[in-house]
Amino acid sequence: NAGVTQTPKFRILKIGQSMTLQCTQDMNHNYMYWYRQDPGMGLKLIYYSVGAGITDKGEVPNGYNVSRSTTEDFPLRLELAAPSQTSVYFCASSYSISINTGELFFGEGSRLTVL
Amino acid sequence: EDQVTQSPEALRLQEGESSSLNCSYTVSGLRGLFWYRQDPGKGPEFLFTLYSAGEEKEKERLKATLTKKESFLHITAPKPEDSATYLCAVQLYGQNFVFGPGTRLSVLP
Repeated sequence: NAGVTQTPKFRILKIGQSMTLQCTQDMNHNYMYWYRQDPGMGLKLIYYSVGAGITDKGEVPNGYNVSRSTTEDFPLRLELAAPSQTSVYFCASSYSISINTGELFFGEGSRLTVL
Repeated sequence: EDQVTQSPEALRLQEGESSSLNCSYTVSGLRGLFWYRQDPGKGPEFLFTLYSAGEEKEKERLKATLTKKESFLHITAPKPEDSATYLCAVQLYGQNFVFGPGTRLSVLP
């Protein structure tokens, strides 16, 4: 199993540009998440999904959109990129939300810089 | 407001020098507390889940403990390969996790 795969690993955007961060998992997990990680801060939840066709906002959703058309894929779209969106983005998945099987499996991250 | 703090922010140890990392939390409803390890340029990797006060979990040189307000990650006789950032996260009821900022551990040979 590849686990959680994110692309691209690095990207530089100009202010106002748009892009999509791709995330796919091959573990047949129902739950998928997008987090951003800024220096000195904890991971912040952007959006999450409990299954295909179902998404919901997390703590910091402004400026982002998601879709979940399949169990495997959970892309994150940035519209009108702003310098405040410079961050490292992590996609994660989990089998369930129960305590004993709810651990998150993370991708390797996508480092985005907006200039 | 649900909050998770970790201390120290950074820790340098000599190889073999045991120590502890702290994770303190104030949350409205705790389902579980998770510890993750994160290597530079990588995503976090799961270490432990703790469910209730008094619980302990061990893995190699690491032992995690939980009280009603905090968790400790004890590192016994660390090796350079234990160098990483250690994150704790509290799972609230539902899908939400609140992550701490992490402790950056360096173990010198």
